Amino acid sequence: DTGVSQNPRHKITKRGQNVTFRCDPISEHNRLYWYRQTLGQGPEFLTYFQNEAQLEKSRLLSDRFSAERPKGSFSTLEIQRTEQGDSAMYLCASSGASGRETQYFGPGTRLLVL
Amino acid sequence: DAKTTQPPSMDCAEGRAANLPCNHSTISGNEYVYWYRQIHSQGPQYIIHGLKNNETNEMASLIITEDRKSSTLILPHATLRDTAVYYCIVRVSASNYKLTFGKGTLLTVNP
Repeated sequence: DTGVSQNPRHKITKRGQNVTFRCDPISEHNRLYWYRQTLGQGPEFLTYFQNEAQLEKSRLLSDRFSAERPKGSFSTLEIQRTEQGDSAMYLCASSGASGRETQYFGPGTRLLVL
Repeated sequence: DAKTTQPPSMDCAEGRAANLPCNHSTISGNEYVYWYRQIHSQGPQYIIHGLKNNETNEMASLIITEDRKSSTLILPHATLRDTAVYYCIVRVSASNYKLTFGKGTLLTVNP
């Protein structure tokens, strides 16, 4: 399968713990996006990378959140000191270089903070 | 990006065509209409997009009105597996990042 992959698919953690999610984009895609989706809502944009450069961050991305894409391939999203409000589905998408390129999504990581 | 309006839910009988409407009355000339769907607990799946001409692919057809203020996604022969939330998104062609999702339309295909 050559689609976007995300790991883990599910994560349960206790409040205050740190969690890290990984996203592997489609291999030839140089743009990578993170979204968050809470119950009953559409996905909301968090941040995006072009190659290894993080070019945009939403105000939703508090200072407890950090995203990296060190070699321009896979990306990680870390949440420090998790809160119950962080419980959501975290989605990753990738696209090619042109501004019109379609974004293809991964299956998501569902986070539950107890 | 222009705002879109979709009905919160629709029903369709299996085997019949599903026609999902979307209003985007403030759309600009350089904005594309994209459709995604999301089956329960999965990531959004790209369906189709268009600028002003009607488009068709193996999944669906997209009909955009001449004034571009509304569009309709057509699933020609809906199956139970087409039950999902369908999102209509308007996106500036020069935009190189975020998609702005609304709440979409929950399409339920009934046997």
